[in-house]
Amino acid sequence: AQSVTQLGSHVSVSEGALVLLRCNYSSSVPPYLFWYVQYPNQGLQLLLKYTTGATLVKGINGFEAEFKKSETSFHLTKPSAHMSDAAEYFCAVSRGSTLGRLYFGRGTQLTVWP
Amino acid sequence: EPEVTQTPSHQVTQMGQEVILRCVPISNHLYFYWYRQILGQKVEFLVSFYNNEISEKSEIFDDQFSVERPDGSNFTLKIRSTKLEDSAMYFCASSGPSGVGYGYTFGSGTRLTVV
Repeated sequence: AQSVTQLGSHVSVSEGALVLLRCNYSSSVPPYLFWYVQYPNQGLQLLLKYTTGATLVKGINGFEAEFKKSETSFHLTKPSAHMSDAAEYFCAVSRGSTLGRLYFGRGTQLTVWP
Repeated sequence: EPEVTQTPSHQVTQMGQEVILRCVPISNHLYFYWYRQILGQKVEFLVSFYNNEISEKSEIFDDQFSVERPDGSNFTLKIRSTKLEDSAMYFCASSGPSGVGYGYTFGSGTRLTVV
């Protein structure tokens, strides 16, 4: 079965600081991994995804994530936080099949202080 | 950039009433999904739909729920007799020819409030 754990329901950083949002997954098969961002009163926007190939994945808005199979992790990072990054971030895993449903973590609310 | 469009953005209904939530997926996508997010909780899968039939459904998707693709463009979720606990944000999503690996595109959601 697939599941996702996001460590830290709230993360606060100063503008310009490193952003690190943690995601660990469990999967019985090679997973597809996703990060989504949700701004207030909006839908889920895909930040980046890992399916196969290079384990360091770059996404939109300067975010990147690294798939570490040995650690079953897919942490999201950004070198320098911007005020506009304040949002809720969701990690999700799929079974890696074409029809796969997504299993979401509980989300991490990112606050960026000026 | 292509979008998944959901209507209405907000819906208030009385308990026991039927509601239909509507979605227009991206035109060349083949896989369609509904998810929901109860306030303060995680996003939960409801159902996936491919080739005009349900391909997978969760334990949440009981007999009160149904999905339909009536005209080749719209994708609807019907709740026959709403309950208070159906209050949630409902998201429609679609994915392209290679399915989930292509990446889902989510709509902006319909906030359903059952009173």
